Amino acid sequence: GQQVMQIPQYQHVQEGEDFTTYCNSSTTLSNIQWYKQRPGGHPVFLIQLVKSGEVKKQKRLTFQFGEAKKNSSLHITATQTTDVGTYFCAVSTNAGKSTFGDGTTLTVKP
Amino acid sequence: DADVTQTPRNRITKTGKRIMLECSQTKGHDRMYWYRQDPGLGLRLIYYSFDVKDINKGEISDGYSVSRQAQAKFSLSLESAIPNQTALYFCATSGPGTNIQYFGAGTRLSVL
Repeated sequence: GQQVMQIPQYQHVQEGEDFTTYCNSSTTLSNIQWYKQRPGGHPVFLIQLVKSGEVKKQKRLTFQFGEAKKNSSLHITATQTTDVGTYFCAVSTNAGKSTFGDGTTLTVKP
Repeated sequence: DADVTQTPRNRITKTGKRIMLECSQTKGHDRMYWYRQDPGLGLRLIYYSFDVKDINKGEISDGYSVSRQAQAKFSLSLESAIPNQTALYFCATSGPGTNIQYFGAGTRLSVL
């Protein structure tokens, strides 16, 4: 089935530092979604990328979809303590379901 | 989302017991999913259903069964619970033509 590798598994940063998580696939993706799960919470949809080379921004978050549609990244500029949580990418399969990456857990030291 | 409701939120049970986790949604979505989350392993799909008459196995369906009682209801059963089924379970829904998923608050299950 569709596989997606997400790195790093953990990232510890000082408040104000930047953060990036990456998702990589060996096959071309039709689209990719990003979710955030706060500690003790449930995954919440952030954004979907569909087009080759697409870049979308949400305040301090920048999402990119690679030109070959095989990788994607989520970058947070100047992290805040409210950014803590686990960030997941998810890719769609032809069967109409999603495969999730293992997530990157971000901790932010004030 | 409050639109996707899971009950119970927490459950402790013993090995060998049968338990049911319930999920209901008011989003009007046809597609519903059950996931299991273990630390460091992300979300793994147990079963999914694209309409009331459709049930499909996910990547880790062994030891689980589901029932789609109505468009709004999708329940997950563990016929004979075992300790390695201790995990956080999420129900999710998605709308037509999209894989964007809306999750319930989760059920934390402990099997002793």
